[in-house]
Amino acid sequence: EAQVTQNPRYLITVTGKKLTVTCSQNMNHEYMSWYRQDPGLGLRQIYYSMNVEVTDKGDVPEGYKVSRKEKRNFPLILESPSPNQTSLYFCASSTLSGASTNTQYFGPGTRLTVL
Amino acid sequence: RKEVEQDPGPFNVPEGATVAFNCTYSNSASQSFFWYRQDCRKEPKLLMSVYSSGNEDGRFTAQLNRASQYISLLIRDSKLSDSATYLCVVTRGSYIPTFGRGTSLIVHP
Repeated sequence: EAQVTQNPRYLITVTGKKLTVTCSQNMNHEYMSWYRQDPGLGLRQIYYSMNVEVTDKGDVPEGYKVSRKEKRNFPLILESPSPNQTSLYFCASSTLSGASTNTQYFGPGTRLTVL
Repeated sequence: RKEVEQDPGPFNVPEGATVAFNCTYSNSASQSFFWYRQDCRKEPKLLMSVYSSGNEDGRFTAQLNRASQYISLLIRDSKLSDSATYLCVVTRGSYIPTFGRGTSLIVHP
């Protein structure tokens, strides 16, 4: 089954404790991205990647890091989480060619609370 | 001006009604257009792509007006299950999607 998986789905942590949210897709998609969604603000892109070893900042990259060492994985790293990073996070992937170009497939979301 | 703007609603309509949402975009070089549906606390899912000539999928019709830079979504014969948030997505360049903040639809009996 074609899918995007994220782990963990729920996480409560404390300020300053490094964490990683994993994202994996099995559709051989070139493009992967991370979004955060906050009430009234909609989906905002954090980082995106066009392919392996190619990453770039989105609209709200501060406080986040990403890596793309393999095509299928795109982890989101919070080196020193702060309460303003409490949010619902979505990973998404898409192909850059063919009939489904730019159709975003989303993971189920990770609800992060930073105390 | 925001890149992609939507009326947040909520649009509160009875079952069977026809409802339409608009979405405006500011970048005239935008290339791809989509409508996504998002249920509460769930991930967005593709509802339909929007083509220049307009397209229909069952009760849903999407249209694109490049001259006025907006896309629309029309839902006919609304069902209770249509209650959700509808996100407009515009892709600038060839791959960078920008999401609108969404329009909330509530269909009541």
